[in-house]
Amino acid sequence: DAGVIQSPRHEVTEMGQEVTLRCKPISGHNSLFWYRQTMMRGLELLIYFNNNVPIDDSGMPEDRFSAKMPNASFSTLKIQPSEPRDSAVYFCASSLVLGQGIEAFFGQGTRLTVV
Amino acid sequence: DQQVKQNSPSLSVQEGRISILNCDYTNSMFDYFLWYKKYPAEGPTFLISISSIKDKNEDGRFTVFLNKSAKHLSLHIVPSQPGDSAVYFCAAGTDKLIFGTGTRLQVFP
Repeated sequence: DAGVIQSPRHEVTEMGQEVTLRCKPISGHNSLFWYRQTMMRGLELLIYFNNNVPIDDSGMPEDRFSAKMPNASFSTLKIQPSEPRDSAVYFCASSLVLGQGIEAFFGQGTRLTVV
Repeated sequence: DQQVKQNSPSLSVQEGRISILNCDYTNSMFDYFLWYKKYPAEGPTFLISISSIKDKNEDGRFTVFLNKSAKHLSLHIVPSQPGDSAVYFCAAGTDKLIFGTGTRLQVFP
């Protein structure tokens, strides 16, 4: 398996523009997580899905952020409009059921820069 | 509100010695604990885990200790090697993982 695939790897956009980050989880995994990495907060959980259904979006910072999982093999994280403080590395991770000795696997991340 | 805390942002250890990374958590409902390792420009990779019913788990040079009464987790690496230099994240949770802020480990010759 190719692992969790994220695209793009790097994104530079102007303030106010819409940004869409994409994730393909590992086939067969039923949970998908979006994290944001910053120096101050480390790896911050934004939202997670189980069987394509959003379970907990309490980490989504503002209404400007939205996430979808239309099927088991694809998810998007959208920021509209983007702001400079959104600049960070965004990671997607997938797993089978956690808490039973099974870990989450991470993609390589998307480095977002909003200028 | 940081439910998982790594209070040491960095640690420097000589090759061959023991590295001890620490982590504290606040939520007593967490039943699963993990350590991840992260190199620059890569995603975190799983290192070792422990469930709440155990107090120790060992995998080669890596050992994780769990003290539930103190809500404290630690990772021991012995002997430390230069290739271990990376950022280490602890994570805890049930159906979702909450991560700490990370500790940058540098192993020097």
